[in-house]
Amino acid sequence: AQSVTQPDIHITVSEGASLELRCNYSYGATPYLFWYVQSPGQGLQLLLKYFSGDTLVQGIKGFEAEFKRSQSSFNLRKPSVHWSDAAEYFCAVGPITGNQFYFGTGTSLTVIP
Amino acid sequence: KAGVTQTPRYLIKTRGQQVTLSCSPISGHRSVSWYQQTPGQGLQFLFEYFSETQRNKGNFPGRFSGRQFSNSRSEMNVSTLELGDSALYLCASSLTQTNTEAFFGQGTRLTVV
Repeated sequence: AQSVTQPDIHITVSEGASLELRCNYSYGATPYLFWYVQSPGQGLQLLLKYFSGDTLVQGIKGFEAEFKRSQSSFNLRKPSVHWSDAAEYFCAVGPITGNQFYFGTGTSLTVIP
Repeated sequence: KAGVTQTPRYLIKTRGQQVTLSCSPISGHRSVSWYQQTPGQGLQFLFEYFSETQRNKGNFPGRFSGRQFSNSRSEMNVSTLELGDSALYLCASSLTQTNTEAFFGQGTRLTVV
């Protein structure tokens, strides 16, 4: 069965520090992988996506993610976090069939000055 | 161009009532998916519509239904509301059924009392 695991429920980092959010997936073939961000009371915004090719993908707002097939991981990184990055981050796999995505449970990011 | 529009943004209903939520996808997008987001269960896929036909359905009771109109606008209906239906309902639109980039609306916050 397809599934996505985000081991860290909540992470706190200092502004300017580096960030890595973990994501592991279970899928029978090469997955399509996504990272979305959700600010309070808002919908989901796509940060980046991986379909194929270069395993290091660049996204918006200075985020990047690396696909590691051997580890079934797609971790999100940012070299220097800004206070405005505080939000909920979701890793997703899909589409399995049509546009049905499987989401992780999310990681809440707090940024302290 | 305009993003995904969901109406209403907030809704309060009483147990046993029914509710209809609306989603207008991005102009030109023909695929609409619905998700339920709750603190306990995270984001769960409800169903997907493409060209007025339901293409995929998640594991939700028959009280949850939807439809799509010829202009790609979609509605979802929940009958006989239960307290557990309180959630943020998110709509996502994609260009086609096989296009793997989904754009989310801000959601409708449904509270059942």
